Amino acid sequence: SQKIEQNSEALNIQEGKTATLTCNYTNYSPAYLQWYRQDPGRGPVFLLLIRENEKEKRKERLKVTFDTTLKQSLFHITASQPADSATYLCALGGYTGGFKTIFGAGTRLFVKA
Amino acid sequence: EPEVTQTPSHQVTQMGQEVILRCVPISNHLYFYWYRQILGQKVEFLVSFYNNEISEKSEIFDDQFSVERPDGSNFTLKIRSTKLEDSAMYFCASSRSRGDNEKLFFGSGTQLSVL
Repeated sequence: SQKIEQNSEALNIQEGKTATLTCNYTNYSPAYLQWYRQDPGRGPVFLLLIRENEKEKRKERLKVTFDTTLKQSLFHITASQPADSATYLCALGGYTGGFKTIFGAGTRLFVKA
Repeated sequence: EPEVTQTPSHQVTQMGQEVILRCVPISNHLYFYWYRQILGQKVEFLVSFYNNEISEKSEIFDDQFSVERPDGSNFTLKIRSTKLEDSAMYFCASSRSRGDNEKLFFGSGTQLSVL
């Protein structure tokens, strides 16, 4: 069955450092991959989308890479701030899964001042 | 910025009762979705809806669930006979397109507690 794996352990980093989060998937050929941010008790908020034919995407302090051979995406937050503390969700859509978007369990990020 | 609105924010019900969760998607969006998130678990897809019909649904979305767009603005999720395991946060989402332009906008959710 389709599986999306994200680090279940929380990531703790110091303010100003780069946070790197990993998303791996199996039994899936996504047309696109997305990253969302979720704060406690709130709905996910879209951050970035990267298509299967793209290797890298950037938006301000955010960078996403997508390797369809390794079936992996890396999500980077540079110059991290305490306000970046949240859960980050990887989401896949298209082809194998139809056009619905399915989510990984997320990785909790804590940025310490 | 336009947003997806969900009501109520909290709903408490007795097992076996019917509940209706309401959503107002963003006005120029064409695709509508319901997701749920059990406490501490991942966001799970329930159903997608386009052009007044269900386009996809998950195994979770059994005969106890139904969706409706009763007018031009509301999108509802009905659970006919609630079970304890239906307790979760239910999120409505909408998107302007689907496929590789799909960017989901989520509401703040309805926390459903079944007693």
